[in-house]
Amino acid sequence: SQKIEQNSEALNIQEGKTATLTCNYTNYSPAYLQWYRQDPGRGPVFLLLIRENEKEKRKERLKVTFDTTLKQSLFHITASQPADSATYLCALVTGGFKTIFGAGTRLFVKA
Amino acid sequence: NAGVTQTPKFRVLKTGQSMTLLCAQDMNHEYMYWYRQDPGMGLRLIHYSVGEGTTAKGEVPDGYNVSRLKKQNFLLGLESAAPSQTSVYFCASSYYTGTSSVDEQFFGPGTRLTVL
Repeated sequence: SQKIEQNSEALNIQEGKTATLTCNYTNYSPAYLQWYRQDPGRGPVFLLLIRENEKEKRKERLKVTFDTTLKQSLFHITASQPADSATYLCALVTGGFKTIFGAGTRLFVKA
Repeated sequence: NAGVTQTPKFRVLKTGQSMTLLCAQDMNHEYMYWYRQDPGMGLRLIHYSVGEGTTAKGEVPDGYNVSRLKKQNFLLGLESAAPSQTSVYFCASSYYTGTSSVDEQFFGPGTRLTVL
């Protein structure tokens, strides 16, 4: 069956460190992969998009990698800050109009 | 711009009651979506629309109906609410890209619905 997996356990890191979140998928051939941030009680907010022919994408302190052989995307936040604490969702766009979302990983950055 | 707005923010229903959730966007987006989000699960697509007057089923459409009479509005209806429909409902919209919704989706703040 088709599956997207993100670490269900929360990730706790110290301020200033790099946070790395993982998104694994099976039985998909996504054309694009997106990452969203969701704060408690709010809707998701788009962060980055990476295409299947791109290995890496950066935006300020954020970096996303996409390995279609491993079927995995890694999301990095460098020099993390307490304000980065949130739930991060990965989403696969396989074509058409349907986006498949993972359940998300909660990140806590301690000051 | 207000972006994507949803009405109401909270609602409690009894089993069998009906209600309509309203989503409005002021970004002139062609595509609009309704998702539900449950603990431990990803956002699941209920219905979507690729333009005014058109709708299509998503992953979990049973028990819901939708309408897109105006481009800026997308309504989600529950005809006979069930406890299994207790969830947080998100509306989203995105730009027209020609073939698929690969662009970012803009989400509303959500509606928390409880069915007793």
